[in-house]
Amino acid sequence: NAGVTQTPKFQVLKTGQSMTLQCAQDMNHEYMSWYRQDPGMGLRLIHYSVGAGITDQGEVPNGYNVSRSTTEDFPLRLLSAAPSQTSVYFCASSYSWDSNQPQHFGDGTRLSIL
Amino acid sequence: GQQVMQIPQYQHVQEGEDFTTYCNSSTTLSNIQWYKQRPGGHPVFLIQLVKSGEVKKQKRLTFQFGEAKKNSSLHITATQTTDVGTYFCAGPGFAGNTGKLIFGQGTTLQVKP
Repeated sequence: NAGVTQTPKFQVLKTGQSMTLQCAQDMNHEYMSWYRQDPGMGLRLIHYSVGAGITDQGEVPNGYNVSRSTTEDFPLRLLSAAPSQTSVYFCASSYSWDSNQPQHFGDGTRLSIL
Repeated sequence: GQQVMQIPQYQHVQEGEDFTTYCNSSTTLSNIQWYKQRPGGHPVFLIQLVKSGEVKKQKRLTFQFGEAKKNSSLHITATQTTDVGTYFCAGPGFAGNTGKLIFGQGTTLQVKP
């Protein structure tokens, strides 16, 4: 059972480039989310989805787009990368949108913007 | 908006000493979750507390949920080097059960052998 799979694990971009971070889960989870982790800032919610076709903004959505066309996949798009987006990005999923559900995290994508 | 504050940010202890991290919310929480992240790893779910005043134990780890459901703590007795990592608390967003889970800043624990 793969759980939550994120690709790529590492990426270096130049300012202004676009990129999509991939996230897939094979647990038939309704809820998926993206967090970024920066030193001293903890995990900050970027976007989340309570089911296929439904997405919403988290705490820090600016500069990022998401879509949820299938239950399994929840890609995160950077349209025009900026150095401030250098971070570690985690995708997470849970069985349902009920906040009582524990989150299952992927291994993360370490992104550097030059 | 809702905030979840966690203190301290860092803690260095000698192996065998106890450790406590505290989590405080600006609003009443329906539940609180705790996660552990090893260095270079991803957060892993430890436990969830739901009831006012609830106390749960996992071996040397004791988790408490405050009576007002606005604060929580994680206490580790007799730390070991395997306890090294960052501990996060997380609570549901102000909008209630929308699944908008907000994390505290985390407490990073270093254990000297």
